[in-house]
Amino acid sequence: KQEVTQIPAALSVPEGENLVLNCSFTDSAIYNLQWFRQDPGKGLTSLLLIQSSQREQTSGRLNASLDKSSGRSTLYIAASQPGDSATYLCAVYTGGFKTIFGAGTRLFVKA
Amino acid sequence: DTGVSQDPRHKITKRGQNVTFRCDPISEHNRLYWYRQTLGQGPEFLTYFQNEAQLEKSRLLSDRFSAERPKGSFSTLEIQRTEQGDSAMYLCASSLYATDTNEKLFFGSGTQLSVL
Repeated sequence: KQEVTQIPAALSVPEGENLVLNCSFTDSAIYNLQWFRQDPGKGLTSLLLIQSSQREQTSGRLNASLDKSSGRSTLYIAASQPGDSATYLCAVYTGGFKTIFGAGTRLFVKA
Repeated sequence: DTGVSQDPRHKITKRGQNVTFRCDPISEHNRLYWYRQTLGQGPEFLTYFQNEAQLEKSRLLSDRFSAERPKGSFSTLEIQRTEQGDSAMYLCASSLYATDTNEKLFFGSGTQLSVL
């Protein structure tokens, strides 16, 4: 059974710091991995999607990496800003209807 | 592309009442998913449609839950005889499925249900 874990559950950093969020999954048989952002009481916004054959994807200050064989992904946020404060979730797509989500990392960036 | 729309944003109901939520996916998307999310957890799969066909239902979806997607357009999720344990955020997502590697979910803003 595929399980997705995100550590840490919460993170507080000062503005301007570079940071890394971690995601691990137990079964390497995935087609892709997606990182999402969720603001309190809102839906999920897609940030990056990495296909299983890819190693990384970049969008602006965000860079996501994927090491499928070890079951790990990281989301790197450069020069963090207070507006980056949100919960970040990773999700793996294993085929059919199955997208399995982690519980998320709550990020707080202090001004 | 106006994104995925969900209505209502918030719903407060009394235990035992029926509630219905609506989701309008991105217009050309062929897949539509319903998820449930409780505080501090990731979304959990409830059911999904490929066009108008409901292809899978989670064991989380008791007989009190029903979902429809008439004509492969918008979808409704109905909960009958609501219980306090149904209180959660109900999220709808859609995708334009072509290949497994490109399957990408787009979410709506969700409906927050509170059962008193």
